[in-house]
Amino acid sequence: KQEVTQIPAALSVPEGENLVLNCSFTDSAIYNLQWFRQDPGKGLTSLLLIQSSQREQTSGRLNASLDKSSGRSTLYIAASQPGDSATYLCAVISGANSKLTFGKGITLSVRP
Amino acid sequence: DVKVTQSSRYLVKRTGEKVFLECVQDMDHENMFWYRQDPGLGLRLIYFSYDVKMKEKGDIPEGYSVSREKKERFSLILESASTNQTSMYLCASSLPGVETQYFGPGTRLLVL
Repeated sequence: KQEVTQIPAALSVPEGENLVLNCSFTDSAIYNLQWFRQDPGKGLTSLLLIQSSQREQTSGRLNASLDKSSGRSTLYIAASQPGDSATYLCAVISGANSKLTFGKGITLSVRP
Repeated sequence: DVKVTQSSRYLVKRTGEKVFLECVQDMDHENMFWYRQDPGLGLRLIYFSYDVKMKEKGDIPEGYSVSREKKERFSLILESASTNQTSMYLCASSLPGVETQYFGPGTRLLVL
């Protein structure tokens, strides 16, 4: 059974800092990995999707990497801003039913 | 842009009531999903559907049923609501295969 882990559960950084959010998964036989953002009380917004054959994806200040063999992904946020404060969830698609399995998320707070 | 809408943002129901949560997507997606999100447990898949009138159990289907009579609409039904079904419910849709899932804004359900 696929399990996705995100540690730590919460992170607080000063504005302007570059930061890395980590994600690990137990079964490396994944189809793809997604990073989502969730603002308090809201739904999820897809940030980046990395196919299993890819190593990284970039969108603006965000860069996500994937090391499938070691079961790890990172989300790099450059020059963090208070508006980046949210919960970031990692999810992988794997298995016969192509199910999406989520980590519990990392709640990021960027202090002005 | 893909739009996934959910019928209510907040809902308060009494124990034993029958509850309907509606989800509509406007991008002609074949796949639709219902999740619940709870603090410390993350997102868990309740049911999903790959096509009209088709449904598959997710990880936690007990106490729930679903209906998909039209491609754009996927309903989650709580036959007899209980207090342990108090949660945030999120609907999502996607194209066939291992594609990005697009989420609605969520329905926060309180069962008293």
